[in-house]
Amino acid sequence: GQQLNQSPQSMFIQEGEDVSMNCTSSSIFNTWLWYKQDPGEGPVLLIALYKAGELTSNGRLTAQFGITRKDSFLNISASIPSDVGIYFCAGRETSGSRLTFGEGTQLTVNP
Amino acid sequence: DVKVTQSSRYLVKRTGEKVFLECVQDMDHENMFWYRQDPGLGLRLIYFSYDVKMKEKGDIPEGYSVSREKKERFSLILESASTNQTSMYLCASVTVGYGYTFGSGTRLTVV
Repeated sequence: GQQLNQSPQSMFIQEGEDVSMNCTSSSIFNTWLWYKQDPGEGPVLLIALYKAGELTSNGRLTAQFGITRKDSFLNISASIPSDVGIYFCAGRETSGSRLTFGEGTQLTVNP
Repeated sequence: DVKVTQSSRYLVKRTGEKVFLECVQDMDHENMFWYRQDPGLGLRLIYFSYDVKMKEKGDIPEGYSVSREKKERFSLILESASTNQTSMYLCASVTVGYGYTFGSGTRLTVV
């Protein structure tokens, strides 16, 4: 099955720094989603994007649906230790339900 | 909030055993999914179901089967467990057009 290209694979940052990660696809998506997975838990939905160009915030998190519909980014501002985890992007090509996932970005925040 | 409940957080099984992983959702969602998650490989789709008694193979169905006798319950079956099926298993449900809701995961170890 298709995989999204998510980068970077891992990040090690200091508390207070801003973080940016992105996903690209060879296919056009009509939905982009960003999830966070805490250690030992299932992924939890952070932000959902449904229109090209859409920019959506959720607290310190901001995500955008690229205008080409083939990419998306997630920014985290002023990182804190509880931001640690794996962040996944996911996209949906059609009006169906199946998602394609990126391989994840492992974020480590040093206090 | 939608809840997706996986019956076990941790399981240890012996090679050759038949293993059942249970998933229940409480929001009348049509679509349910089983993924496995391994380091460096991201989330890989095993099987999914878009209605009772319906099932579709995902990207890695070999060695697995599923059962969906009731809308709220989707079971993953390892017919004869092998050590290469040691993994984190994640169940998710969704209604068409929205993001997945994941369960907390089952960490299966086959010895």
